[in-house]
Formats: sequence, C-alpha cells, structure tokens
Amino acid sequence: GAGVSQSPSNKVTEKGKDVELRCDPISGHTALYWYRQSLGQGLEFLIYFQGNSAPDKSGLPSDRFSAERTGGSVSTLTIQRTQQEDSAVYLCASTPDPGTSRTDTQYFGPGTRLTVL
Amino acid sequence: QKEVEQNSGPLSVPEGAIASLNCTYSDRVSQSFFWYRQYSGKSPELIMSIYSNGDKEDGRFTAQLNKASQYVSLLIRDSQPSDSATYLCAVILYGNNRLAFGKGNQVVVIP
Repeated sequence: GAGVSQSPSNKVTEKGKDVELRCDPISGHTALYWYRQSLGQGLEFLIYFQGNSAPDKSGLPSDRFSAERTGGSVSTLTIQRTQQEDSAVYLCASTPDPGTSRTDTQYFGPGTRLTVL
Repeated sequence: QKEVEQNSGPLSVPEGAIASLNCTYSDRVSQSFFWYRQYSGKSPELIMSIYSNGDKEDGRFTAQLNKASQYVSLLIRDSQPSDSATYLCAVILYGNNRLAFGKGNQVVVIP
C-alpha cells in the first residue's frame, strides 16, 4: 500500500549544475503530474503524463526543464543549468484514471525541496 | 481571470467555531473539485472531493458546490487546533485533466 514516493527529499546544488528528481507513482496509476511550489505560493503545474499519450508540457517554465516517464511508471524531472529561481519544492502526484469522475483524485508524494545556491 | 481564486487572507477562528473558506473558478465546464489541506513543510493531502451541485459532508467537513455561480466552499465545523493549515482549492480543467490550484487560505485555530 505504498503511496507516491519521491527522491531525494532534499537537494542542494550550485547554480549552473544539472539536477534530476525522481517520482515513483502509486502502482497502477495511469497518470503522473509534476508541480512546483515556491515559498508561500500555490502549486504551479509543470507537466502531465497519461499512459502512452504525448505528455502535456505546457507548464514547463523554460527549455532547461524536461521530464520523462519510463515504462509508464517512474518519472524523472531534469533541470539543466539550475538557477536560483528554480529553488522550490517539486511535487509529484498520480491518479488512477484522470477525466473519470471519482477516480481522478490526485495523490501527492512528499516532494523534493530543491535549493540552488 | 485566474483559473482558481481564493481571495481571503489568513483566517483565525476560535476552537470549536466554524471556519468557512471560499473559492471561485473560471472554467465553466469543470466537473471535478477538490479541497486539499497542507501543513507547513508537508505535501497536500486530499480532504474532500465534490462533483455535484449541493453539499457533501464528511465528518466535520462540508464541501458546497454551485456550478452556476462557479464557486466551491469548505466549512470546517467544531474547528480544532489540528485543523490549522493551508487549505487549497483545486479544479480539474476540462479537456486537459490537470489540476489548477488556488493560492490557498491559511487557517489558524486558536485554542
């Protein structure tokens, strides 16, 4: 009965370095989402994967951000050449079957706190 | 207009009172609405989902949905100090299945 897991829980990096954040969704969930939450702010949508469909990348803030989902399960969010404004908590969520009432609830992982020095 | 708006500032309520939170949304055809609770330093956790007009009660929580007026609200009855958190309203946007969140309302329950 594991929930959504994310690693690492905390990441401190230097400006200009690349980072990879990992999300392992709940087994069987077809959809996976990445969000970003800056200090004191709401959640900002980044990217959405649904099954084998092309991902919705409309929320990615720049081309330094990319994500992939391998085998329909684990996802990796990569930030290249990190900047200080990338500092935030990066949250992953999964859902059983989006767009279907009562199975579209998103379950969040614990997040990765990224600090760019 | 923002997709989901929560305009109220921090809400302080005495223990045992009712906390009332409101949220409006812009997408007229949205069908799925959620309230998440987020404790400081933690990730959001779902407390209520609502899909039909009217009220939905779960323990001390009641969600109210009015699609014609495009608002959804959350009532917390008999507020407890453990209810002190930020409450996020979220709406699934029709057609792309992603959640749009409001900025949240901080609730402080005073013992």
